[in-house]
Amino acid sequence: AQRVTQPEKLLSVFKGAPVELKCNYSYSGSPELFWYVQYSRQRLQLLLRHISRESIKGFTADLNKGETSFHLKKPFAQEEDSAMYYCAPAGVPHGNKLVFGAGTILRVKS
Amino acid sequence: DTGVSQDPRHKITKRGQNVTFRCDPISEHNRLYWYRQTLGQGPEFLTYFQNEAQLEKSRLLSDRFSAERPKGSFSTLEIQRTEQGDSAMYLCATNGGGGQGISRNTEAFFGQGTRLTVV
Repeated sequence: AQRVTQPEKLLSVFKGAPVELKCNYSYSGSPELFWYVQYSRQRLQLLLRHISRESIKGFTADLNKGETSFHLKKPFAQEEDSAMYYCAPAGVPHGNKLVFGAGTILRVKS
Repeated sequence: DTGVSQDPRHKITKRGQNVTFRCDPISEHNRLYWYRQTLGQGPEFLTYFQNEAQLEKSRLLSDRFSAERPKGSFSTLEIQRTEQGDSAMYLCATNGGGGQGISRNTEAFFGQGTRLTVV
C-alpha cells in the first residue's frame, strides 16, 4: 500500500533558524517525489520535485531510496515560509496520482 | 485565470440532499483527479480520469458518489443523499498525463476546492 508519513504536525522555528520537514514514504515501483505547499488562503501548489534537483525559495530535498525518505530542508527560515507542507509520491503505475501525507504546518516566528 | 477552476467554492446542504461540483481543467491537461480533504488531514485520492475514461476509483468513493468527465474536458462530482460525514473540501487537480515514464507532465495543478458543509 502507498503511504506517506510526516511525523510532525507542527514545526515552529524562529526566523533565520534551519528547518527540516521530515517525510518517509512507502510506494511500490519508483515514484517521483514532490513537496507541495499551501500558503494561507491559496491553493495547493508544487514547491519542488526530486528529479529537478533544484532549490526553490531556498528549499532543497534529497531523495534517499534506501531509507525511503524525502526530507525538506532550508538553512535559514523566513516568515513568508509559514505554510502547510505536504510530501507526496506519484508514479506511472498508479496513474501518477499523488499520495499525500497528513502535512506539517511550518510556523516561522519573528 | 487559466488555472484549474472549481465551482462552487462553498456549498451548504441539508443531509439527504444531492450536490454536484464542477471542475474545469487546464485545457491541454488530459488527466483529472478528485481528492477529498478533511480537517487536519492531507488530501485523499477519490478518482481519476484520463480523457473521458475513469481509470481508478478509491474505496473511499461509496455508491453515493459518482464522477463523470464527458468529452474529456470538465468533470463533475455528484454526491447523492449527503451525510454529515461528507463534509470536507473537495479538490480537483489536473496534469498533462500521457506518455510513459516520469516527465514534467506529472506536476499536478490544483483548483481552489469546493468546501461542502452538510447540516
